[in-house]
Amino acid sequence: QVQLQESGPGLVKPSQTLSLTCTVSGGSISSGSYYWSWIRQPAGKGLEWIGRIYTSGSTNYNPSLKSRVTISVDTSKNQFSLKLSSVTAADTAVYYCVRWVRGGNWFDPWGQGTLVTVSS
Amino acid sequence: QSALTQPASVSGSPGQSITISCTGTSSDVGGYNYVSWYQQHPGKAPKLMIYEVSNRPSGVSNRFSGSKSGNTASLTISGLQAEDEADYYCSSYTSSSTLGVFGGGTKLTVL
Repeated sequence: QVQLQESGPGLVKPSQTLSLTCTVSGGSISSGSYYWSWIRQPAGKGLEWIGRIYTSGSTNYNPSLKSRVTISVDTSKNQFSLKLSSVTAADTAVYYCVRWVRGGNWFDPWGQGTLVTVSS
Repeated sequence: QSALTQPASVSGSPGQSITISCTGTSSDVGGYNYVSWYQQHPGKAPKLMIYEVSNRPSGVSNRFSGSKSGNTASLTISGLQAEDEADYYCSSYTSSSTLGVFGGGTKLTVL
């Protein structure tokens, strides 16, 4: 079955850019049936959708983060990535990469999540 | 402030049934049959429990069921078990530019 795994630095300094990569295994990221998405969760809080990318490279972002977010895909490596610029402490969260099923619009499966802390 | 409204907490005794509500608008819950529910145990990633309002993925217990009426969706857990204690989140497709919205989450306590 498809599995997703996040990777990247766990500590980022304020004003710098957060960069994470999600590696997809057990299935092709080029499948036309899915979007590939990032969701985050601050400690003790709820889930926030960040954005998504389709295999073609087409993207959609949460308007509240749009000015700072870039999601890209590398089909040759079966990976997609997140960049969030000008980070502050408010961006400290567990970041999940998730497969978003087209048509039905549900999220499954989820990566295990990676904690990113913004601190000097 | 979440786009979808859930109760902060619910509780029930083993063997009982509980229902968690998820209220949105005609632009999300009420307008589409694209409501999904997720279970999250502490320190773990969310797990899909219900999709498209009332469908259960393979492997999810039939004690979990979903429904919708108007702008409110509901998750019902019957025959409560200790392992059901977790946070539960609803999500819906939305016609707004946000595309994907979540509820604020409901903490289920099994007494």
